[in-house]
Formats: sequence, C-alpha cells, structure tokens
Amino acid sequence: QVQLVESGGGVVQPGRSLRLSCAASGFTFSGYGMHWVRQAPGKGLEWVAVTSYDGSNKYYADSVKGRFTISRDNSKNTLSLQMNSLRAEDTAVYYCAKDRAIGVFDYWGQGTLVTVSS
Amino acid sequence: DIQMTQSPSSLSASVGDRVTITCRASQGISNYLAWYQQKPGKVPKLLIYAASTLQSGVPSRFSGSGSGTDFTLTISSLQPEDVATYFCQKYNSAPFTFGPGTKVDIE
Repeated sequence: QVQLVESGGGVVQPGRSLRLSCAASGFTFSGYGMHWVRQAPGKGLEWVAVTSYDGSNKYYADSVKGRFTISRDNSKNTLSLQMNSLRAEDTAVYYCAKDRAIGVFDYWGQGTLVTVSS
Repeated sequence: DIQMTQSPSSLSASVGDRVTITCRASQGISNYLAWYQQKPGKVPKLLIYAASTLQSGVPSRFSGSGSGTDFTLTISSLQPEDVATYFCQKYNSAPFTFGPGTKVDIE
C-alpha cells in the first residue's frame, strides 16, 4: 500500500533553514509528480510546491518562491523540501502528497510540524 | 492567479439531510476541480476529481457537478461520519489553489 512518511520538522528561529523529507513506498515513485502542501494551525490548506516525476519541472506558490526548493531522489524514493529564510507565517503542518493526475492529490502523508519562532 | 471561494463557510444539518456546498473559481477552469474531506485531526482525503468523478472507495452519497467557474459538492444523506471540513481545489495549472473550506457539523 502507498505510504508517505514525512520527517524533519521542528522548531526553528526566523531567518534560519530547515529541510523536510518524505519517504515514499508502495508505488512506483519515479512515475508520479509529488507535492508539498501545508496547513497553518487552525487554517486551510495551502499548496506549496510540485516536482514532476523526473524532477525536470518545478513550480512554487508565490509565498515561498525564492526561499523554498523542492527536489526528489528517485533512486531513494525520497522527496525533499529545503526551506530557507523561514518566517513566522511558514509555521504549519507540511504534508507531502502524491499526484493522481497533475495537481490531484490521492495520497497524503501524516504531516510534519514546522514552527518558526524565536 | 485564479482565486477559489466556497459557500457557506460552515453549516449544520441533521442526519439524513441533503447537503450542498458551492465552490466558485474567479476564472474558468473547465472541469479541473477536486474536492477533499478533512476530518478533525486527520489528513485530507480525496473525494472527487474532474469535478464529478468519485475517487475509488468514496461512498456514493457524495457527488460533484459543475464546470467553468461554478461547482457543487452534494452529500445526498448526511451521516455522522461526514462531520469534516470540505475543500475544493483547482488543478488546471499551478498554483493548485484550495478554497477556504466549508465546515460541516451535525445538528
């Protein structure tokens, strides 16, 4: 069965960096686009970034463009999100999600909480 | 960028009631519209994609319709396990924006 397991969350000071990872199993990872979606405490869902199945195409939400970088390692079935210059408003649970079709998320991880605070 | 709105923001209905949630896109998105259900404390779950196609395993009391800018999610007979927040999401192109959500409770 499909499993997505995020890791790397924690408490970080504003302006610092953090790297999230998502370990995928149960499907052919290299065949699907992958996304990061976040949810601030008590708030709605915000799409963050997508990478195509082979990593050749990447898109970002305006709120993170230039600060966050999505990447994937198909040899290790791993998705990553490098987050730099973190701000308080980046505080959220970060989910990795698998594409069913481009932009449709059929499987989600359990999420990892990132708290940006001094 | 295309903005997504939902109405109502919350609703309360009785078990067995028919419930309808509306989602509107600020520009036409054809049928590139998905619906997700998020139960309290849980991970979002895909219900419907392509505006009206039910994801495998989703109960048939859920249905979706619409095209262009106006879409609806209908629960034909509300059940206690349907208490959740429902989000629409457009996926015609990035950014893959979500609506603000509609919280559904039982009266």
